[in-house]
Amino acid sequence: EILLTQSPGTLSLSPGERATLSCRASQRVRSTFLAWYQQRPGQTPRLLIFGVSNRATGIPDRFSGSGSGADFTLTISRLEPEDFAVYYCQQYGDSPYTFGQGTKLEI
Amino acid sequence: QVQLVQSGVEVKKPGASVNVSCKASGYTFTNHYMHWVRQAPGQGPEWMGVIQPIGGAAYYAERFQGRVTLTRDTSTSTFYMHLSSLRSDDTAVYFCARNPYGSGSYFDYWGQGTLVTDSS
Repeated sequence: EILLTQSPGTLSLSPGERATLSCRASQRVRSTFLAWYQQRPGQTPRLLIFGVSNRATGIPDRFSGSGSGADFTLTISRLEPEDFAVYYCQQYGDSPYTFGQGTKLEI
Repeated sequence: QVQLVQSGVEVKKPGASVNVSCKASGYTFTNHYMHWVRQAPGQGPEWMGVIQPIGGAAYYAERFQGRVTLTRDTSTSTFYMHLSSLRSDDTAVYFCARNPYGSGSYFDYWGQGTLVTDSS
């Protein structure tokens, strides 16, 4: 099973700043099978990025994904108030498909 | 628009079983695999398994093998998750989550979630 470790656990920033979230896998993720989700309090996860760097439908271009192998990054270029939430990475290259433990982005 | 509407809160005793339903609408039912994912309080999501809408073949995460069964009813466009031998650490919100057509196993639409909780 591929373990995904996200860092930092909590990231404290202000609106307008840039956020960089990390996701490290315990082994190489097959192909580009890495996704990111946003979860606001009391809501369901929302797909942001699939295939490492492809934005899902309706996702603003301030969200971008990058990385390869076992190291991946989600960048939010200029934080908006609605971006403060928990973010999860997920690998879907090998079953069982696994998620990280999350990074909480707080003001 | 795509909607995945799940059944309501379940309160169960340890050792019991639970059934959660997920009614799909707004898209072609047979085009998309459906996954089940759970999320314990304060934890990240955990993938449980996936079912093919055509034929009904299902595949499970090893840790749930023998306890979880995924089924579907094509006549009502509804998916079901059955989890048996419940333990206190099965307390979680259970989601159905749709696989995009022809894509890898990530999730583009999620149900609203069903809380399954321990009655003790």
